[in-house]
Amino acid sequence: KNEVEQSPQNLTAQEGEFITINCSYSVGISALHWLQQHPGGGIVSLFMLSSGKKKHGRLIATINIQEKHSSLHITASHPRDSAVYICAVEKASYGKLTFGQGTILTVHP
Amino acid sequence: EPEVTQTPSHQVTQMGQEVILRCVPISNHLYFYWYRQILGQKVEFLVSFYNNEISEKSEIFDDQFSVERPDGSNFTLKIRSTKLEDSAMYFCASRLTGYGAFFGQGTRLTVV
Repeated sequence: KNEVEQSPQNLTAQEGEFITINCSYSVGISALHWLQQHPGGGIVSLFMLSSGKKKHGRLIATINIQEKHSSLHITASHPRDSAVYICAVEKASYGKLTFGQGTILTVHP
Repeated sequence: EPEVTQTPSHQVTQMGQEVILRCVPISNHLYFYWYRQILGQKVEFLVSFYNNEISEKSEIFDDQFSVERPDGSNFTLKIRSTKLEDSAMYFCASRLTGYGAFFGQGTRLTVV
């Protein structure tokens, strides 16, 4: 069984829509990471969080440690947000990241 | 903005050959990692490196693989006797205390 599960696997939206991507994990963690992977393959770190909520621009990440669940929200989505969004957990501080399978987001104009 | 640099961006090698993938992490970072992503699959951990030694390695990271930080700036992954199933995108990452990981753009390794 995967330690990190994301849903949905694929998500299509119209420009301007509010988007939510979910991540559930089954292990104890020191932090959870949200990352973005573009078609060229490069990976960019969006958020690292161990409790509560973080916001950066139109992106919001939340985590519920008791429920072992995190969400990534994108407000006012734009075609340039189209990418793969990946949830990854860090069990030990500065240890390896264990990745989810990613959510492919496509935003149409 | 500081970045992790990986070279080459794409390497094609014959099965059985040795390859060295190179990474220059961000200069004041302390933790270094190699990950790989086989086409269509999720990213998987290979090895982590801290304080000039391996801190953790995955089951994948067997005797075929080795890492070095020879000069305090470069961080290399050597794959000996490559196999077809080693074809993947290899990512280097580095971290500083209190921050998330910075990833390089990856090296696409194709074994033919």
